[in-house]
Order: sequence, then C-alpha cells, then structure tokens
Amino acid sequence: ETGVTQSPTHLIKTRGQQVTLRCSSQSGHNTVSWYQQALGQGPQFIFQYYREEENGRGNFPPRFSGLQFPNYSSELNVNALELDDSALYLCASSLPGTVDTEAFFGQGTRLTVV
Amino acid sequence: SQQGEEDPQALSIQEGENATMNCSYKTSINNLQWYRQNSGRGLVHLILIRSNEREKHSGRLRVTLDTSKKSSSLLITASRAADTASYFCAILEVGYAGNMLTFGGGTRLMVKP
Repeated sequence: ETGVTQSPTHLIKTRGQQVTLRCSSQSGHNTVSWYQQALGQGPQFIFQYYREEENGRGNFPPRFSGLQFPNYSSELNVNALELDDSALYLCASSLPGTVDTEAFFGQGTRLTVV
Repeated sequence: SQQGEEDPQALSIQEGENATMNCSYKTSINNLQWYRQNSGRGLVHLILIRSNEREKHSGRLRVTLDTSKKSSSLLITASRAADTASYFCAILEVGYAGNMLTFGGGTRLMVKP
C-alpha cells in the first residue's frame, strides 16, 4: 500500500457524459500527477498539480481538467467523454523540490465509456 | 508518443532463472525509473537511477544505465512466480519536474513455477 487512494475503482459512463475521478495523496506529498493508461500500453502523463496550480501538462485536450485542494487531494475531470477515453486512470503523489523523487501510485480508476 | 521503448514486449521464464528487460529512450534525462504493475492495477516503484550513475542494485534487482546509448536494463535474478507482472521503465526528461514521467510500453513477464 502506497497511501495514495483513488475513487471510484471502476466506473462506466456513456459517450458525451462528464466524469470526475478523485485522489488522496500520501501524507506530506503536495505534488500530484495524473496518468492515463490504455489497455496494453504504458501510462501517459496528463498533468501535474503543485500547491493547487497546474504546473505541467501532457498532450491531452482541454476537456481533461483538474483541481487540487488545500489538503493536496486532487480531482481529474473529463468532459464530453469519448470511447477512446476508456482506460485506467492513475494518480501519483510525490515530494516536491527535487527531480530525483519516487512517485507513489494509487490503484487506479478503471473508466469504461460505452 | 512514448519515449521509452521496452524490449522484449513479453518474456516467459521458469522460476529460478534470470529475467532481463531493456529500455531505450530518445532525449536527455534527469533519471530513469523502473516500476512494476500487477494485473493492470497501481504501479510500484522499484528503483531509480540518476543520469550520472551507471549501475544500481536493490535486492534481486540490478539496473544499468548507458546514457551514451540512451538505454537501460533491468535484471531480476533468481526469479519467483510472484515476480509475474508488467515492468515499465519511465524517464524524467531534463527540464521536467519530478513526477512528470514518460513511460515505455512495458515488458510482460511471466515466471512459471
């Protein structure tokens, strides 16, 4: 167990709907990143939040957005869901201030868009 | 697109044998990390090797890094059935903050009892 918790664990949505995924980071970690992992592939970086501000983004459209709260928990919101959004969504927390930092991953939310 | 490319994509060995996985990348890196994933769930950090390091050990794991060839390898010695999982290399590119990782496609390892 890494101390990073994600909810829900599974979710089924209809194309065009909106979804919110949640992540509680490990105690003391104020940096949270979100990743999308399609079946059979490696995770792809979506964006990172540090002190409630987005401070890095991967190659994902604006309908992927996020929030970080004062307690460092985080949300990933996806609007206008598409079938290709079906994937495992992983959140990872880490300590700030150094590049040589280990990322602690949650167990993920498996999203299915039908 | 994914920076890290892993080889082989799948590997099947007998318990007790060694498993070697390779990772290649394209840009300058701060560090390279290896993660394990069981059954499509969360990733577990195995080892981090900095760009100025050449080899690192952790228990039965040995990681090498060759920045001139932009490649790394993960060796698992004396494998066990419990090592069955997918293994991913992830790079932290120069100019990126920690935890903005670029992952490879993974090697699916099966260790037969």
